[in-house]
Amino acid sequence: KAGVTQTPRYLIKTRGQQVTLSCSPISGHRSVSWYQQTPGQGLQFLFEYFSETQRNKGNFPGRFSGRQFSNSRSEMNVSTLELGDSALYLCASSSWTGGNEQYFGPGTRLTVT
Amino acid sequence: DQQVKQNSPSLSVQEGRISILNCDYTNSMFDYFLWYKKYPAEGPTFLISISSIKDKNEDGRFTVFLNKSAKHLSLHIVPSQPGDSAVYFCAATLYQTGANNLFFGTGTRLTVIP
Repeated sequence: KAGVTQTPRYLIKTRGQQVTLSCSPISGHRSVSWYQQTPGQGLQFLFEYFSETQRNKGNFPGRFSGRQFSNSRSEMNVSTLELGDSALYLCASSSWTGGNEQYFGPGTRLTVT
Repeated sequence: DQQVKQNSPSLSVQEGRISILNCDYTNSMFDYFLWYKKYPAEGPTFLISISSIKDKNEDGRFTVFLNKSAKHLSLHIVPSQPGDSAVYFCAATLYQTGANNLFFGTGTRLTVIP
């Protein structure tokens, strides 16, 4: 079974631009969660989607948004990029909501200059 | 506001010895705990988990202990192997609420010396 895939793997953007990251979960998984990893803050939860609906949201500004498609693929968008948005963005999928193990993709390394 | 804390950023252990990684949490509502291992340029990989109704869970060389009264959990790796060298994250969640968001610690870098 193929794992979680994320595209692109690396991205360089300029302040003020917007960016879209993509995540394809493991086949059959309907829950997709997004996390931001930075050296100072560790991994922080952004949001979770299940059956195309946002079920949970972390403490991030409205510039961070996401969506999920009917095939469970998910996209994350960050508008008006700031230098502090430079981070590794990780996507995780699980077979159902409720705290069971989540499978992570390799992440997208975003650098904002 | 870090609800899950790993106070040791790094740990070095000789091959064959025991590695003990510690984790503390502040939210008494957490009822499910997980450990993940992360290699550079890869996403975290699930290792082992424990429910709050248990105080110990074993899986091969990995054992997780939970002390609810102290709000503390630890991961024991016995015997440690060079391939175990990685960053280890503990995570907690509110399983009973159906929430699927994990609260992570900041990680401990384990180095196993051959």
